[in-house]
Amino acid sequence: KAGVTQTPRYLIKTRGQQVTLSCSPISGHRSVSWYQQTPGQGLQFLFEYFSETQRNKGNFPGRFSGRQFSNSRSEMNVSTLELGDSALYLCASSLSGVSYEQYFGPGTRLTVT
Amino acid sequence: GENVEQHPSTLSVQEGDSAVIKCTYSDSASNYFPWYKQELGKRPQLIIDIRSNVGEKKDQRIAVTLNKTAKHFSLHITETQPEDSAVYFCAASMGGSSNTGKLIFGQGTTLQVKP
Repeated sequence: KAGVTQTPRYLIKTRGQQVTLSCSPISGHRSVSWYQQTPGQGLQFLFEYFSETQRNKGNFPGRFSGRQFSNSRSEMNVSTLELGDSALYLCASSLSGVSYEQYFGPGTRLTVT
Repeated sequence: GENVEQHPSTLSVQEGDSAVIKCTYSDSASNYFPWYKQELGKRPQLIIDIRSNVGEKKDQRIAVTLNKTAKHFSLHITETQPEDSAVYFCAASMGGSSNTGKLIFGQGTTLQVKP
């Protein structure tokens, strides 16, 4: 089975712009979670989508949003980018609500200048 | 609040020695505890996990123990090898079945295995 994939792998944006990141889960996985990884804050949970519905949300401002499509692919959007949004954004897929194992994608490295 | 504390932040051992990383979680409803290994520039890789109905789980040189009463869980690596050098993260699921996709991570432990 192919692993979790994320596109793009690298992005450079300017403060104030918006960005959309994409995540394709392992085939058959219906849950997609998003995490932000920074050297100072570590891995922080953003949100989780399951069957096209947001099931959980972390403590991030409303500028961070996401969605999931019927094929389980997920996107996250960050509007009005700030310098502090520079991070590695990781998505992880899981089989279903009763299976907790999460498998990570390679991440998207976002740099905001 | 939702919190996972991980210690130590760095750990240096000689090849062949054992390494132990400890985590403490705050949510008594947590019932799933995975460990991830992240090598430089790579994605976190699930190496072992344990559920709340089990006290210990072993996979070759890696073992995890869980003490639900004390809200502690630990990763044990025996006979360490240079390729074990990486950052290790513990995590705990938050809430009960309504929060199955949410993991709270510890701050990570940088393990260095010296040849």
